[in-house]
Amino acid sequence: DVKVTQSSRYLVKRTGEKVFLECVQDMDHENMFWYRQDPGLGLRLIYFSYDVKMKEKGDIPEGYSVSREKKERFSLILESASTNQTSMYLCASSKTWGGNTIYFGEGSWLTVV
Amino acid sequence: AQKVTQAQTEISVVEKEDVTLDCVYETRDTTYYLFWYKQPPSGELVFLIRRNSFDEQNEISGRYSWNFQKSTSSFNFTITASQVVDSAVYFCALRYNFNKFYFGSGTKLNVKP
Repeated sequence: DVKVTQSSRYLVKRTGEKVFLECVQDMDHENMFWYRQDPGLGLRLIYFSYDVKMKEKGDIPEGYSVSREKKERFSLILESASTNQTSMYLCASSKTWGGNTIYFGEGSWLTVV
Repeated sequence: AQKVTQAQTEISVVEKEDVTLDCVYETRDTTYYLFWYKQPPSGELVFLIRRNSFDEQNEISGRYSWNFQKSTSSFNFTITASQVVDSAVYFCALRYNFNKFYFGSGTKLNVKP
């Protein structure tokens, strides 16, 4: 079974703090994604990575950065957290070929106070 | 432009009723994939089904069935004899441009005993 693991399930951070959300997948997938989920807005893509050290901006990259130093690990960074970044963050991964179903982690609930 | 519309924001049914969740998509790609995911209250999105654009056969898996119609750009999901455990948010998604996914805004299904 594919396993996507997000390091923190629930976090509370203060405005202005630097926040790291970590994600690891164990299926040797080329692609990794960070989504943000908000009520009524569904899932919105923040960043996407198709290879180590490669990244592409998604629909809402402002205020976020990412890092992919190893194939299995994809980190989302909030350089200076703000209250409007309070949300549920979902990491996902997929293969490049073969229909590439996207598999999700359990999600990280971030509250910025 | 790619788009996935789930017009039903929330549906409530009584256990054992049948329920259909609608999904309408828009894409200019001739090759694409469609997906359905279930998100229970715990938060993790669980993959249910993938369909490619060349396969319009309906799919049945236990109480779940999917109706893919290219003529109407729809990929609807029916749960027969619903159960309380079916209560969740259901997302329809479109994979396009090789590695990009577009998610609908989700339909929240409440199944009451």
